[in-house]
Amino acid sequence: DAEITQSPRHKITETGRQVTLACHQTWNHNNMFWYRQDLGHGLRLIHYSYGVQDTNKGEVSDGYSVSRSNTEDLPLTLESAASSQTSVYFCASSEAGVPTRNPSEAFFGQGTRLTVV
Amino acid sequence: GENVEQHPSTLSVQEGDSAVIKCTYSDSASNYFPWYKQELGKRPQLIIDIRSNVGEKKDQRIAVTLNKTAKHFSLHITETQPEDSAVYFCAVPKTLNSGYSTLTFGKGTMLLVSP
Repeated sequence: DAEITQSPRHKITETGRQVTLACHQTWNHNNMFWYRQDLGHGLRLIHYSYGVQDTNKGEVSDGYSVSRSNTEDLPLTLESAASSQTSVYFCASSEAGVPTRNPSEAFFGQGTRLTVV
Repeated sequence: GENVEQHPSTLSVQEGDSAVIKCTYSDSASNYFPWYKQELGKRPQLIIDIRSNVGEKKDQRIAVTLNKTAKHFSLHITETQPEDSAVYFCAVPKTLNSGYSTLTFGKGTMLLVSP
């Protein structure tokens, strides 16, 4: 069965370190997204990609970067981890929303709980 | 950008009661309105969605109603059961200049169903 998986599931890191969270999907979806989930804020979009070599900033992109070298993977990098980046991170994918205004169901990974100390 | 307001933030009901969660949005061109359920420690999963050409959609005990004029849509759960306890998120698409869209989520409603 197709799926979307994240690793690691839990991570503790120190302030200032670079951290990369992995996301791998076998749906063959062109669209991939990274969200962070914090109490009182719901799910906020960090970065997204609509295909290989395409990356875009979301509403809370400062301090994060992504790269898309193939269809299956969208790793999220925290350049220099800060305590404010302690959160639960969700990766998601969906079918291409083409033509315009034809969005579809987003499938989420299991999440990664990141603690920055 | 798209603004999504979700209410209430918490909702406690007795088993068997009905629960209603409402979301309002700002972009009148929005045409897709999904609801996600997230159980404790799990990932969000789509439970029902509606497109703007219909006003109501039902799937067993859950239903979604849409009022495009007032720009709000609601999730209705009837005959609630303890396993309905979860956080529920509404979402609205935000269309980008590229023609693609992302989903903007509400802040979530924690539903607690007491036996």
